[in-house]
Amino acid sequence: GQQLNQSPQSMFIQEGEDVSMNCTSSSIFNTWLWYKQDPGEGPVLLIALYKAGELTSNGRLTAQFGITRKDSFLNISASIPSDVGIYFCAGLSNFGNEKLTFGTGTRLTIIP
Amino acid sequence: DTGVSQDPRHKITKRGQNVTFRCDPISEHNRLYWYRQTLGQGPEFLTYFQNEAQLEKSRLLSDRFSAERPKGSFSTLEIQRTEQGDSAMYLCASSTMGTGVQETQYFGPGTRLLVL
Repeated sequence: GQQLNQSPQSMFIQEGEDVSMNCTSSSIFNTWLWYKQDPGEGPVLLIALYKAGELTSNGRLTAQFGITRKDSFLNISASIPSDVGIYFCAGLSNFGNEKLTFGTGTRLTIIP
Repeated sequence: DTGVSQDPRHKITKRGQNVTFRCDPISEHNRLYWYRQTLGQGPEFLTYFQNEAQLEKSRLLSDRFSAERPKGSFSTLEIQRTEQGDSAMYLCASSTMGTGVQETQYFGPGTRLLVL
């Protein structure tokens, strides 16, 4: 099935560094969601974006809904060990098609 | 709000056996979704319900797969005659749909299936 292009595929950073990842699509979405998934668990919602150009924060996380509605990015500031995991973007078109289309994921590893 | 729950969390079965998974959505959420996730990939949509009506099925959902939500609350996903390619994490999500309500899907912990 279709998956969104998400980059980078993996990141190795030191604790305290800032992180940036993005997601692009060839299709327009009306909703962008960012999830974090730990091994063996389901995705946990981090941030939801509903309007083109919207910039939303959740603690150290900031996400933006691209103005073209075909992209989104997620920033994490001052990373901590519990940020380790896989981050997924997901888009929803709301045009009678209610399924989420997920990105390929960004695996974040913190180097001690 | 107790979140989405799924049972079992893990299932090991032999090829050819039938398996059934259960999902309990967040109470009062009228939409329920099933996704499948294989290793190293993002979740892929399988099917979804609005109340008890199954409104869309993915081409990934072969004839061996069937999902029900008989009373518009919990849902079951059954796989008949399992194959090794069915090994994956099966995720359930729920959301609420209504005037002025923005769509956000909340996921359960998943059921990991291993077919030997």
